[in-house]
Amino acid sequence: EAQVTQNPRYLITVTGKKLTVTCSQNMNHEYMSWYRQDPGLGLRQIYYSMNVEVTDKGDVPEGYKVSRKEKRNFPLILESPSPNQTSLYFCASSFSIGTSGRAQETQYFGPGTRLLVL
Amino acid sequence: ILNVEQSPQSLHVQEGDSTNFTCSFPSSNFYALHWYRWETAKSPEALFVMTLNGDEKKKGRISATLNTKEGYSYLYIKGSQPEDSATYLCAFHTGGFKTIFGAGTRLFVKA
Repeated sequence: EAQVTQNPRYLITVTGKKLTVTCSQNMNHEYMSWYRQDPGLGLRQIYYSMNVEVTDKGDVPEGYKVSRKEKRNFPLILESPSPNQTSLYFCASSFSIGTSGRAQETQYFGPGTRLLVL
Repeated sequence: ILNVEQSPQSLHVQEGDSTNFTCSFPSSNFYALHWYRWETAKSPEALFVMTLNGDEKKKGRISATLNTKEGYSYLYIKGSQPEDSATYLCAFHTGGFKTIFGAGTRLFVKA
């Protein structure tokens, strides 16, 4: 079954304790992205990756890191989580269009990870 | 930062009513607009992708139109049903790599 998986689905942690949220897709998509969703703000893009070893910042990258060592995986790393990173996080993936990859097809979303930082 | 706005924020309708909502986006550097449907406790799922000015797309009772010159898209639901209750998101692409989502319109359909 074609899907995007995220782990964990729920996480409660404390300020400063490093954590990683994993994201994996089995559709051979070039493009992967992380979003956070906060009430009234919609989905805001944290980081995206156009392909292996190619990543860039979205609109709200502060406090986050990513890596793309393999095509299927795109982990989100919070080196020192703070309470303002309490949020619902979604990973998404899609094909890119054209040789430059400068546009994306429809994105497929993972099930979400609800994070609470105390 | 490019801004995508959706209105209204929320909408309450009766079963059988037809309804519509708006997504406004910058009219310059347009590449594509996506509509997604997001049910509570689930992930957003794609409805439409629209790329050309004047595009109209339809899926069952749901349809969408696109005006890239003035920077808006409308989503219409004909004869709303309780199962249409969800948040409807639009996402704007400039042809670069970023995706910019609106905050969504939350639709409640009462039986």
